[in-house]
Amino acid sequence: QKEVEQDPGPLSVPEGAIVSLNCTYSNSAFQYFMWYRQYSRKGPELLMYTYSSGNKEDGRFTAQVDKSSKYISLFIRDSQPSDSATYLCAMRRSNDYKLSFGAGTTVTVRA
Amino acid sequence: ETGVTQTPRHLVMGMTNKKSLKCEQHLGHNAMYWYKQSAKKPLELMFVYSLEERVENNSVPSRFSPECPNSSHLFLHLHTLQPEDSALYLCASSQFKGQAHEQFFGPGTRLTVL
Repeated sequence: QKEVEQDPGPLSVPEGAIVSLNCTYSNSAFQYFMWYRQYSRKGPELLMYTYSSGNKEDGRFTAQVDKSSKYISLFIRDSQPSDSATYLCAMRRSNDYKLSFGAGTTVTVRA
Repeated sequence: ETGVTQTPRHLVMGMTNKKSLKCEQHLGHNAMYWYKQSAKKPLELMFVYSLEERVENNSVPSRFSPECPNSSHLFLHLHTLQPEDSALYLCASSQFKGQAHEQFFGPGTRLTVL
């Protein structure tokens, strides 16, 4: 079993739709959860960073963590063509530099 | 220059060549990382340096040789690579230990081994 599972997609949505991305994980010791966005031919950029369970909102982006279910989500509201990218979930234990990544979900927002 | 920079951005090499990838971080971090990114696979951590000392070597073949001369620079020396080594090689940096471990990535070097 992979430590982090992420649906690879691809996901294609019309402009303005809500995009929902998910990852599940097996290691209950993970405490920090991240979402990275990676545009084509670019490196990943940190989008959202959450500690433990709960929700975090930043503009059109909402990150949710449900540690009891070992499940994290990223929602993108009012999606724009500029949101077209691959989204990677990542997570780590406290005081650990090692990140465990999902394989990434490729999202296309159609104008 | 800001953030994390990598050169070259693209590299094509034969299996008998020797080449080096360079990474430089301008964020004042004390840890640097090499990752390999292959299509539809999670990022694979290859090497980690903290304060110029290697703290992680994830069973990477010896044809990959890292070098960290100071906290701002990281190299990956390549020799006698195989076609399956073709991938995007990403460098990242962060603070090591403490609360903030966010890793910031460079744009990557797209490596093709013929």
